[in-house]
Amino acid sequence: QQQVKQSPQSLIVQKGGIPIINCAYENTAFDYFPWYQQFPGKGPALLIAIRPDVSEKKEGRFTISFNKSAKQFSLHIMDSQPGDSATYFCAALQGGSEKLVFGKGTKLTVNP
Amino acid sequence: ETGVTQTPRHLVMGMTNKKSLKCEQHLGHNAMYWYKQSAKKPLELMFVYSLEERVENNSVPSRFSPECPNSSHLFLHLHTLQPEDSALYLCASSPTGYGYSPLHFGNGTRLTVT
Repeated sequence: QQQVKQSPQSLIVQKGGIPIINCAYENTAFDYFPWYQQFPGKGPALLIAIRPDVSEKKEGRFTISFNKSAKQFSLHIMDSQPGDSATYFCAALQGGSEKLVFGKGTKLTVNP
Repeated sequence: ETGVTQTPRHLVMGMTNKKSLKCEQHLGHNAMYWYKQSAKKPLELMFVYSLEERVENNSVPSRFSPECPNSSHLFLHLHTLQPEDSALYLCASSPTGYGYSPLHFGNGTRLTVT
């Protein structure tokens, strides 16, 4: 119940493509869903986050789509660039907890 | 220096050694964390300190011992480790100890246990 299942494990797209990374959860008490981006040799950094009271959130070329009934959320990267090549982690938080539950990560490669 | 700084960047130690990982944050945050990152596994929370008090100990073996002398510094003391402890150890800080606060990670210490 505390898991977040992330797919795919790796993803290769061409520049300008729209990679989509999916996450699913079981715990209906989760109420905060952030995405973190990690470049090689660096620590993860918060990219964008969403609460379940909205179905979509955009920040620049990054969009989170949220489907509460399906208990799924996804990250879309519009007009992807080689500089977006990184590992992306979804996560979820149960209200009142200090503990984020992370997915296993998706390694994205954007070819020029 | 800005952000979260971790030293050393790489560490190789034998199973009988004792070593320490150091983390320092320059963000004025009140909470600090240790995470373990292994290949193809989710980030694992090890310890959380909020205002220098430990608030989470995620069933971590006693061969890992954290220390938080003040809100800017965090240590992870290591002794008699096992090869399966080889991983990237990430330190993070956040404004508060509540999970809604964004985590600011350091670049990690790559630990190899031989």
